[in-house]
Order: sequence, then structure tokens, then C-alpha cells
Amino acid sequence: DSQMTQSPSSLSASVGDRVTITCRASQSISSHLNWYQQKTGKAPKLLIYAASTLQSGVPSRFSGSGSGTDFTLTISSLQPEDFATYYCQQSYSTPLSFGGGTKVEIK
Amino acid sequence: QVTLRESGPALVKPTQTLILTCTFSGFSLSTTGMCVSWVRQPPGKALEWLALIDWDDDRYSSTFLKTRLTISKDTSKNQVVLTMANMDPADTATYYCARGAGGRYDRSGHYVHGAFDIWGQGTTVTVSS
Repeated sequence: DSQMTQSPSSLSASVGDRVTITCRASQSISSHLNWYQQKTGKAPKLLIYAASTLQSGVPSRFSGSGSGTDFTLTISSLQPEDFATYYCQQSYSTPLSFGGGTKVEIK
Repeated sequence: QVTLRESGPALVKPTQTLILTCTFSGFSLSTTGMCVSWVRQPPGKALEWLALIDWDDDRYSSTFLKTRLTISKDTSKNQVVLTMANMDPADTATYYCARGAGGRYDRSGHYVHGAFDIWGQGTTVTVSS
């Protein structure tokens, strides 16, 4: 089974900051890594799939990179609506799995 | 427009079996590469993947919960049903169903599932006597 580890588990940042979240898989998952944003009380929303492809309608300040076991999600200039929890998820092999989440809070 | 909606009891007693239904529209689960998955989230905790059913009726579930989970589909009704046996207070959570599209074989012949692009709003289940 592939275990997904995200870091940090939380971070504080200001509007306009560049934010980077990392996700590490316990074994190679090629580029089959997806990122989701979840706001309090809402369902998750797909941001990026296949490590680096932006889902339709997602702002271009979000980007993803990586392959194999190490991946990153970058928000180039944090906006007020970006304060949320972010999850990575591998879709390479079953059982599928999510990371533990990264909560992005206002500094 | 693709939508999914979860339904089921809000409260179950310990040891009972939970039955959740995901009713969807806007796509067919007979389409190659499609799947519907269940994910849960205990209060204040992370997302946890539970189970998935593919367009071709292949089924997969969490290693940890495998003995308690059953997933099935009724393509004619556009529904996917998840049953979870022997419920425990630790199973208290919001349960989501989600669509995965774009499943395919990669260059090495390994099947990879699509990302979960559309989610239901979730249904909250409390396990308590």
C-alpha cells in the first residue's frame, strides 16, 4: 500500500505570500498524484491532477510538480480565498490513499 | 451537469450495518474509465479513502476496512451503494461519494484511476447508542 505524507501539517502565511506544500509517497506513484482543496464544512475540490495539470476553472496561481515519490503544490501569491486545508492523493494503485492534509491559515 | 448526492441514516447504533447510497446524474458508470468512490472524514480529521467501483464492476476497498465494506452499483438507477458492517463510534464521520473519470492503462499496462473531479456534498453519520 502507498502511504502519503504531507508537510507541513499546518502553516501560517500572509496574503501575497508564496506557499509550498510537499507530499511524499512511500513508493513510486509515477505522476499519478492529485491535489484537493477543502474549506470548512465543504466537500473537497480538485485543484490539480496528474501531478501538474490544472483542473478547469482553477486559478493559475496554483501549480504542481513532481514525479516518483516527491511532489509539491505551490500557490504563487496567496489570496484570501485560498485559506483552506489541502490534501494530496495518489491514484496510481489501490488501495488509494490521501495525505494527512495541510491547513493554511492567516498570519 | 454532473452531480452526486449521498443519502442514508444520520444515526446508527454500534454493531449495526450502515447502508449509504450515492445517486448520481450527468454521466454513466458504464463508460470506460469511470468509477465512483467513497471517502470519509471524521470530525476535525483527514480524508480517508474507503472503497471504489469501476465501470467494469471491479471493486476495491481499504485494506484496513476490507472485511467490513461492500460496494455495489446499479447502473440502471445511477446508484452506488456502500455497506459498512459492525459500526463503531470511531466510524462517526462525514461520508462523501465522488466520481473518478479518466481511468486508463499507462505505458507499462498498469491501470490507474482518475482523480475525483466531482464530489457529493457529504452525509454525516453518527454512531451512538
